[in-house]
Amino acid sequence: GQQLNQSPQSMFIQEGEDVSMNCTSSSIFNTWLWYKQDPGEGPVLLIALYKAGELTSNGRLTAQFGITRKDSFLNISASIPSDVGIYFCAGRAGGTSYGKLTFGQGTILTVHP
Amino acid sequence: GAGVSQSPRYKVAKRGQDVALRCDPISGHVSLFWYQQALGQGPEFLTYFQNEAQLDKSGLPSDRFFAERPEGSVSTLKIQRTQQEDSAVYLCASSPSLTSNYGYTFGSGTRLTVV
Repeated sequence: GQQLNQSPQSMFIQEGEDVSMNCTSSSIFNTWLWYKQDPGEGPVLLIALYKAGELTSNGRLTAQFGITRKDSFLNISASIPSDVGIYFCAGRAGGTSYGKLTFGQGTILTVHP
Repeated sequence: GAGVSQSPRYKVAKRGQDVALRCDPISGHVSLFWYQQALGQGPEFLTYFQNEAQLDKSGLPSDRFFAERPEGSVSTLKIQRTQQEDSAVYLCASSPSLTSNYGYTFGSGTRLTVV
């Protein structure tokens, strides 16, 4: 099935460093969501974006909804060991596809103390 | 309940066996979703319900997959004649409504292994 292009696939960083990851799509989305998934658990919502150009923060996390509505990025500042996990972007289109999320392939984040 | 509950957490099935996976959504949540997550991949949409109505089943991979939510609360995903390619984590999510501004709340999933 269709998935978003998420990059990078993995990142290895030192504690305290900033992290940036992004997602691109060939389709327009009305909503962009960023999730974090820990091993053996379901994805947990971090940030939701509903308007093109919107910039939203949640603690050390900042995400933006691209102007073209075909991309989004997530930044994590001053990383800590508990940031380790897999981060997924997800887009939601409108119309009859409103209930369906399309996910990226994920970015695996490793933080070295 | 406080969260989305899925059972069983793990299921090993012999090829050809039928399986049933259960999802208990958050109480009062109108919308319920099923996703399939293969190893190393992001979740992929299977189907969703609004109350007991199945509004979109376009993601179900074949007619061996069937989902129901007869009373608008608990949902069951059934896979008939399982095959090895069905091995994946099956995630259930619920939402207060389709237009909720809070995204979906996912359960911890059922890991299905077909041998």
